[in-house]
Amino acid sequence: RKEVEQDPGPFNVPEGATVAFNCTYSNSASQSFFWYRQDCRKEPKLLMSVYSSGNEDGRFTAQLNRASQYISLLIRDSKLSDSATYLCVVNYGGATNKLIFGTGTLLAVQP
Amino acid sequence: GAGVSQSPSNKVTEKGKDVELRCDPISGHTALYWYRQSLGQGLEFLIYFQGNSAPDKSGLPSDRFSAERTGGSVSTLTIQRTQQEDSAVYLCASSLQGLEQYFGPGTRLTVT
Repeated sequence: RKEVEQDPGPFNVPEGATVAFNCTYSNSASQSFFWYRQDCRKEPKLLMSVYSSGNEDGRFTAQLNRASQYISLLIRDSKLSDSATYLCVVNYGGATNKLIFGTGTLLAVQP
Repeated sequence: GAGVSQSPSNKVTEKGKDVELRCDPISGHTALYWYRQSLGQGLEFLIYFQGNSAPDKSGLPSDRFSAERTGGSVSTLTIQRTQQEDSAVYLCASSLQGLEQYFGPGTRLTVT
């Protein structure tokens, strides 16, 4: 089983749509969770951290379910500029700063 | 302020040659990470430096790979006797006391 699993997609959605990505992780000791965004042939960039209580940043909402070891990202009112690969990231466990990156979910927002 | 920088941006080398990749982290960031990403694949952890602690080398794929970090700042990743399977984008990231990681633009290595 992969340490971090994501649906690779692609998710093809029209502008304005709401889209949700899911991610599962295998290490119950993981404590830090993030979503990164990676544009084609570019470096990953932090989109948002994921907190236990869930958190929202504009059109983006992240949720964490520790019991199910599951993380989600919801994007509302999709824009063309949201087209990218979204990486689910967790730490190796405990307080370590080593991160495990999922292989990403590709989102293509269509006009 | 300045972000993470890496050099060279592209490197083409012949099989069997040694290469050195450089990373300049964000000033003041105590943690530095190296990853590699093969085409269409996820990021693979290579090595992690945190302050003055011994580096975590658990991700280095073979003893041909090594890295050092001088003066708690600049880091160099060295690959000896390069093989074609080493072709990938090598990404460096830094973070402040283990918080969110900020990535450099990467070095695209091609071994012919």
